[in-house]
Amino acid sequence: DAGVIQSPRHEVTEMGQEVTLRCKPISGHNSLFWYRQTMMRGLELLIYFNNNVPIDDSGMPEDRFSAKMPNASFSTLKIQPSEPRDSAVYFCASSFRQGVETQYFGPGTRLLVL
Amino acid sequence: GEDVEQSLFLSVREGDSSVINCTYTDSSSTYLYWYKQEPGAGLQLLTYIFSNMDMKQDQRLTVLLNKKDKHLSLRIADTQTGDSAIYFCAELNYGQNFVFGPGTRLSVLP
Repeated sequence: DAGVIQSPRHEVTEMGQEVTLRCKPISGHNSLFWYRQTMMRGLELLIYFNNNVPIDDSGMPEDRFSAKMPNASFSTLKIQPSEPRDSAVYFCASSFRQGVETQYFGPGTRLLVL
Repeated sequence: GEDVEQSLFLSVREGDSSVINCTYTDSSSTYLYWYKQEPGAGLQLLTYIFSNMDMKQDQRLTVLLNKKDKHLSLRIADTQTGDSAIYFCAELNYGQNFVFGPGTRLSVLP
């Protein structure tokens, strides 16, 4: 299996622009997680999905952030408009079942908002 | 609430053993994990231990769990420069989500 795939690996954008991050979970996994990692705050869970349905988005910073999972093999995390404080590494992870199984992480998208 | 703590930095000499420590607060943790993050990469699962176990060994890695003290450790024998990375401790409670520690940055000196 190719593992969790994320794209792009790096994104540099200007403040105010829309940013879309993409994730393909491991085939057969039913749960998908979006995390943000910064030096100051460490690893933060933003949102997770079970069977394509968003379950808990309490970690999403504010209304500028939105996530979708239109099917079992694809999810997006969108930031609109982006701000410099959104600069971070965004990880996607998937597991067979939420709360029971190990999570496997993608390589991350390094976002820099100027 | 749930909290996982780790020391932030550890330096060892190549060939020595490294011991990375972690404490957690939730006594109902089901599994405890160690993940490794190399520079510019995602988190890679290293090993995990079920909460009813005391020890787990996997080649150079030894995980010790003291459930009474809520203390987890990862020992890396014969530490190599390739072991330099950030090591995250994480706990999982059945039906809940992972709670990650802040990570311990291991530096291996030649």
